[in-house]
Amino acid sequence: QSALTQPASVSGSPGQSITISCTGTSSDVGGTTYVSWYRQYPGKAPKLIMHDVSNRPSGVSNRFSGAKSGNTASLTISGLQAEDEADYYCSSYTSHTTLVFGGGTKLTVL
Amino acid sequence: QLQLQESGPGLVKPSETLSLTCSVSGGSISSSSDYWGWIRQPPGKGLEWIGSIYYSGTTYYNPFLGSRVTVSLDTAKNELSLKLTSLTAADTADYYCARNPPNSGFRFDSWGQGILVTVSP
Repeated sequence: QSALTQPASVSGSPGQSITISCTGTSSDVGGTTYVSWYRQYPGKAPKLIMHDVSNRPSGVSNRFSGAKSGNTASLTISGLQAEDEADYYCSSYTSHTTLVFGGGTKLTVL
Repeated sequence: QLQLQESGPGLVKPSETLSLTCSVSGGSISSSSDYWGWIRQPPGKGLEWIGSIYYSGTTYYNPFLGSRVTVSLDTAKNELSLKLTSLTAADTADYYCARNPPNSGFRFDSWGQGILVTVSP
């Protein structure tokens, strides 16, 4: 199974909004609602910040939102803050009862 | 509050078998309908799902790793385990254990801190 495609890096200034895309196929992203997003700080374990495409776990800021169109999911962060600088990964359940992650996106807050 | 803690060797030789344990506290691995999984991350690279196991013992594995992987539960010790055979340098990574809530499509909502495993002669 191939990794989902994410941009290697995105950047934005404080207060701006950015969107990270996650592209797969009809066998994963396009065929399921089980798309999740994780944030990872250097040297730390990933943390779930979005699940089932657009659902935020308790405690996650409402500045984070998720969406999906066809085979591409997206994570939008509005009102960028310095603390948002991290690596972000998407994941998707697949039609083969497996899980696939995206390659990861490094977010830089300018 | 659920807590997970990985343990095992930090250095393993090529061709050998890696055995890792994940101790779970704050919840029972056998009294809920959760799944439990392993994920790894080579240094400087992205996340890779290794496999997940249902509390009943049914397993699901990354086909890329094939028959090299075995995930199991020890309900008496409240632990899950990972065995990875025929190691190569490409298996050098941080290894994480994590919980999948039921009916979640293998999303991971609680993670261990991870353990770095280096494969080297």
